[in-house]
Amino acid sequence: EAEVAQSPRYKITEKSQAVAFWCDPISGHATLYWYRQILGQGPELLVQFQDESVVDDSQLPKDRFSAERLKGVDSTLKIQPAELGDSAMYLCASSLEGLNSPLHFGNGTRLTVT
Amino acid sequence: QQQVKQSPQSLIVQKGGISIINCAYENTAFDYFPWYQQFPGKGPALLIAIRPDVSEKKEGRFTISFNKSAKQFSLHIMDSQPGDSATYFCAAMTTDSWGKLQFGAGTQVVVTP
Repeated sequence: EAEVAQSPRYKITEKSQAVAFWCDPISGHATLYWYRQILGQGPELLVQFQDESVVDDSQLPKDRFSAERLKGVDSTLKIQPAELGDSAMYLCASSLEGLNSPLHFGNGTRLTVT
Repeated sequence: QQQVKQSPQSLIVQKGGISIINCAYENTAFDYFPWYQQFPGKGPALLIAIRPDVSEKKEGRFTISFNKSAKQFSLHIMDSQPGDSATYFCAAMTTDSWGKLQFGAGTQVVVTP
């Protein structure tokens, strides 16, 4: 079964440093999502793309977070500068275009900021 | 403010028993209610989902019960197995904002042999 690929699996960085995560969605999935999951909580949507366009970034802390999906396929989420409170699991998900298409999540990148 | 409230936070059930997880919501615009299963180190995986026009949906050992008037829904895991030990999340979203899932805080289920 096709999967959403994410890298790296783990990342440790010092506060004030820059960090980037990469996601490759399931082939053919036009919609891509970045979610953040703080330990012990449910995931929270950060940004949603339809092809290369941002559909929803209302929960993205834009002063330090940025996301792009330049060719409408893979995507990068960047944090600069990282803060201690950014320690979390960053999950990428994708779905086919249209309603009733389930979200398929990758296994995430576990970020620890020291 | 959490839009979906989930309980209990954790539960322990014996093999063969029934696990019950409850969720409540306030936003009556929600019209899609999925449940996700998450194992340690893995991303959430869709387990089963329901829309508010039905009161119950069953897939194998997993059943969702939905009470629209009470704005509550629950997951029942019948004949629980040790392999069911995981964290379960309820979620909700609107068709207008497809993909913007509002997750509950999760329930850690442990099934003892």
